[in-house]
Amino acid sequence: DSGVTQTPKHLITATGQRVTLRCSPRSGDLSVYWYQQSLDQGLQFLIQYYNGEERAKGNILERFSAQQFPDLHSELNLSSLELGDSALYFCASSESPTEETQYFGPGTRLLVL
Amino acid sequence: GENVEQHPSTLSVQEGDSAVIKCTYSDSASNYFPWYKQELGKRPQLIIDIRSNVGEKKDQRIAVTLNKTAKHFSLHITETQPEDSAVYFCAARYREYGNKLVFGAGTILRVKS
Repeated sequence: DSGVTQTPKHLITATGQRVTLRCSPRSGDLSVYWYQQSLDQGLQFLIQYYNGEERAKGNILERFSAQQFPDLHSELNLSSLELGDSALYFCASSESPTEETQYFGPGTRLLVL
Repeated sequence: GENVEQHPSTLSVQEGDSAVIKCTYSDSASNYFPWYKQELGKRPQLIIDIRSNVGEKKDQRIAVTLNKTAKHFSLHITETQPEDSAVYFCAARYREYGNKLVFGAGTILRVKS
């Protein structure tokens, strides 16, 4: 157990819908990262937050957004869902925005039908 | 650009044999190279990492080597066991993109008993 928690574990929804994925970092970690894992794209970095502010952005679609709250938990919002958004979404955390070691949560498996 | 290539994509070894997975990275500014192990449906789990000021690091049956000049690094697993069967991902950290990890495509390791 890495100490990073994610909810829900599974999510099944329909195209066009909007979902919110939640992540709580390890105790003491200030930086949160979101990754998407799909069969064709592998593990892709989406976005990083540190202490509530966006720190780095990857290949995140405009339909996706994220935020980090004062208690340091983070939410990833996915809207206008398409079939291709079906994937595993992982959250990771690190002590600081420059601390290299990232610990991954258990992931949320999203299935868009 | 940011790219990490990983080889081979699949690797089958006999229990007790060694396994080697190789990765190359594109950005000479990368300074941190973790390896993650992912079992089916589970989170990526950090198994070993190496920083650019070190050429080799070992942890029991696992070792990682880094050649900065050639921009490649390798994972070595000795005395493989069936429980080593999993997908292994290498990654490189790109500092100018926050604390972003760019992952290789993964290697499916099968240890036959």
